[in-house]
Amino acid sequence: QQQVKQSPQSLIVQKGGISIINCAYENTAFDYFPWYQQFPGKGPALLIAIRPDVSEKKEGRFTISFNKSAKQFSLHIMDSQPGDSATYFCAARVDNTDKLIFGTGTRLQVFP
Amino acid sequence: NAGVTQTPEFQVLKTGQSMTLQCAQDMNHEYMSWYRQDPGMGLRLIHYSVGAGITDQGEVPNGYNVSRSTTEDFPLRLLSAAPSQTSVYFCASRSNLNTEAFFGQGTRLTVV
Repeated sequence: QQQVKQSPQSLIVQKGGISIINCAYENTAFDYFPWYQQFPGKGPALLIAIRPDVSEKKEGRFTISFNKSAKQFSLHIMDSQPGDSATYFCAARVDNTDKLIFGTGTRLQVFP
Repeated sequence: NAGVTQTPEFQVLKTGQSMTLQCAQDMNHEYMSWYRQDPGMGLRLIHYSVGAGITDQGEVPNGYNVSRSTTEDFPLRLLSAAPSQTSVYFCASRSNLNTEAFFGQGTRLTVV
């Protein structure tokens, strides 16, 4: 049972463009929503995260938009660069636990 | 500062064999977790621990055992390997003062 649904599965963007990855969740008992970036052969690394009492968080070229009523959150990568080419995972943490539920991942390719 | 270290990096097992995947962290983190990553499935939580002597099950615990005798180490045991356990395994740790989880480089396991 996939509680966090992520789309698209793959994304191709031209250098300088905007990459948008969407996630939707079903369980309301989540208290933390991180995004992870993973390069081939490496472990995931935290990119940016948000709590449900905030609607938007921006760190450099990366922005999370969070819509609590719609149970959706998205990652926007502005001015996408070839170095951003990686797989991105959204996740949600079950309230008061250490359980992270991950989306299925989006493979982003940025072409020069 | 090595962070989260997983060994071995690669392993091939025959069906029915047992083995232990090692995970060690040198950051004095209280929380440690094991995930498996399969194509199209994202990362799924196997077992986690909130401190030495305390472990709990995640989404997909069947076929795996864990123990946490020290803060630093969190080994994952496969008692009787099955082809369905072919996957990439990631260990993660975090401090109880911080929401960011740090992942190891992964163990790529093939069961034939």
